[in-house]
This record gives sequence, structure tokens and C-alpha cells, in this order.
Amino acid sequence: EVQILESGGGLVQRGGSLRLSCVGSGFTFTKYAMSWVRQAPGKGLVWVSTISGDGRTTYDADSVKGRFTISRDNSKSTLYLQMNSLRADDTAVYYCAKVVLVPGPMWYFDNWGQGTLVTVSS
Amino acid sequence: EIVLTQSPATLSLSPGERATLSCRASQSVSSYLAWYQQKPGQAPRLLIYDASNRATGIPARFSGSGSGTDFTLTIRSLEPEDFAVYYCQQRGNWPLAFGQGTKVEIK
Repeated sequence: EVQILESGGGLVQRGGSLRLSCVGSGFTFTKYAMSWVRQAPGKGLVWVSTISGDGRTTYDADSVKGRFTISRDNSKSTLYLQMNSLRADDTAVYYCAKVVLVPGPMWYFDNWGQGTLVTVSS
Repeated sequence: EIVLTQSPATLSLSPGERATLSCRASQSVSSYLAWYQQKPGQAPRLLIYDASNRATGIPARFSGSGSGTDFTLTIRSLEPEDFAVYYCQQRGNWPLAFGQGTKVEIK
């Protein structure tokens, strides 16, 4: 059974930093690209970042480019999101999601963690 | 940047009724569209990908159709557990994007 578990969320001041982690199990972690998707309270889903299975290629939404860094440690089946220069509008539940293996551009997400809440205080 | 517009914002139906949800893209995304279901306090669940392919374990009452700019998610006969928010998502054009959601509520 695929399991995805995020951690690292919390309350941080505007301009501060936070690192999220996500451990995957029940699948061959290195075989799959992984992503972060966030959801502000009461709002919709927003894609944040994706990293290839080997960790060599990353993709970021414009809203986080230059501030957030996605990375992974395949030896630990762990995905990370380093978040710097945090703003109030970064407040959201951050989901870690496994990418579906289907041909074509970009990604869909077939397994999600329960999410971790990041609150940026102003 | 592609904008996905979902309609209606809220759909009020009774169990057993048919639900028809729409997702319109501001430009063509070919067939690269997915649908997700999200219940309160839970993560999204992939239902449909590439417009019409059911994800693993998804009941046959869920079906997707469309291509280009107009897509539809149909729930043939609503079960009590189907009342939730539904999102469409496109991967045909950079950047990846989600619609704003349609809430299916009990009438």
C-alpha cells in the first residue's frame, strides 16, 4: 500500500524559512517524480513544484521560483521543500503527491499525503 | 497561462441523481485533463486522467469526457459518499493548473 507522510509545517514569521519533508513507502520511490501542491484555507489547489525521480530536474511555479527549493533523498525515500522568504500568501496546507506514470507533458497526482499546515504570520 | 473555469460552483442534488460537472479551458489542453475529488479535511483523490480514463479503484459510476477546451465529469447515480468538492486539472500547457472547484452538496 502506498503511503505518503508529510511533516515540518508550523507557524513562521514573514520573511522566515521552513523545510517540509515527505516520506514515501509502498512504492519504488526513485521511479516516480514527486510534487508539492498547496491549498490555502478555504481555497483551491495550486501546484508548487515537481522533481524528477532521479532528482536532476526540477520545476517550479512562478509564485515560488527563487524562494522555494524542491529536492529529494532517494536513499531515504524522502522529498523536501525548502521554503525561504515566506510571505503571508504562502499560508496553506502543503501536500506531497506522487506523480502518475503516464505518457505526456507534465503531471497528474495519484497518491497524496494528508498535508502539513504552514502558517506565515505578518 | 491557461485558466480552467468550473461550473456550476455548487450543485445541489439528491442521492441517486445524476451529476454533470463542467470544466472549460481558456485554450486547448488536448485530452490532458484530470478530475479529483476532495472531502473536508482530506487530501484530493484522483478520479479521472487524460479526460476519460478512470484511475485505479474508481467506481464505474464516475466517467469523464471531452477534449480541447470543454470537459465533463459525470457521476451516474450519486452515492452518499460522493458529496464533495471536485477539481479539474490540466497538464497540456505550462504551467499545470487546477480549476476553482465545484461543490456537490446534498439537496
